[in-house]
Amino acid sequence: DGGITQSPKYLFRKEGQNVTLSCEQNLNHDAMYWYRQDPGQGLRLIYYSQIVNDFQKGDIAEGYSVSREKKESFPLTVTSAQKNPTAFYLCASSIGTGSNQPQHFGDGTRLSIL
Amino acid sequence: SQQGEEDPQALSIQEGENATMNCSYKTSINNLQWYRQNSGRGLVHLILIRSNEREKHSGRLRVTLDTSKKSSSLLITASRAADTASYFCATSNGQNFVFGPGTRLSVLP
Repeated sequence: DGGITQSPKYLFRKEGQNVTLSCEQNLNHDAMYWYRQDPGQGLRLIYYSQIVNDFQKGDIAEGYSVSREKKESFPLTVTSAQKNPTAFYLCASSIGTGSNQPQHFGDGTRLSIL
Repeated sequence: SQQGEEDPQALSIQEGENATMNCSYKTSINNLQWYRQNSGRGLVHLILIRSNEREKHSGRLRVTLDTSKKSSSLLITASRAADTASYFCATSNGQNFVFGPGTRLSVLP
């Protein structure tokens, strides 16, 4: 089945540690996105990528980094510079960028501080 | 900000009743999308309505858009317990979407 796979489902970070969240899609989508969701709030865009080897900052990119070396993969690194990383992280993809395309989401990674 | 704001924040209804959720936004848009999120899961796309459309149907879902009032509504008819979820509107006037905080719908059996 085609879809988006995020791993791990739960992740714990120690102080000063970088952690990487995985996102893989087999939908052959060009565009991929990372969002952060805090309790009772909507999604906020961290980074997005329209094509391999290219990505742009979203609204809350500080303390995060991404790479897009393969079409299928868009990993997110939460660096030690992100002082409040506890949140639910969602990865999404769409056929292309542009607002007429629905986004397909993975089932998220819940990140907590140890 | 063009962020959509859903109203109400939370809604509880009995199975079989209709559920109506509203979304208001601030700037002009190209289209508006509604998504559903079950607890602890990702979002699922429900329906997209373009700025030149006024109403759209999909199964038990009916979405309206009033660009003069900058608002949209999502109606779920004959609700079921399985409809219990959070519902988000997402607006865009260009490339990316802005999601509202959502409406938490509880359908009681």
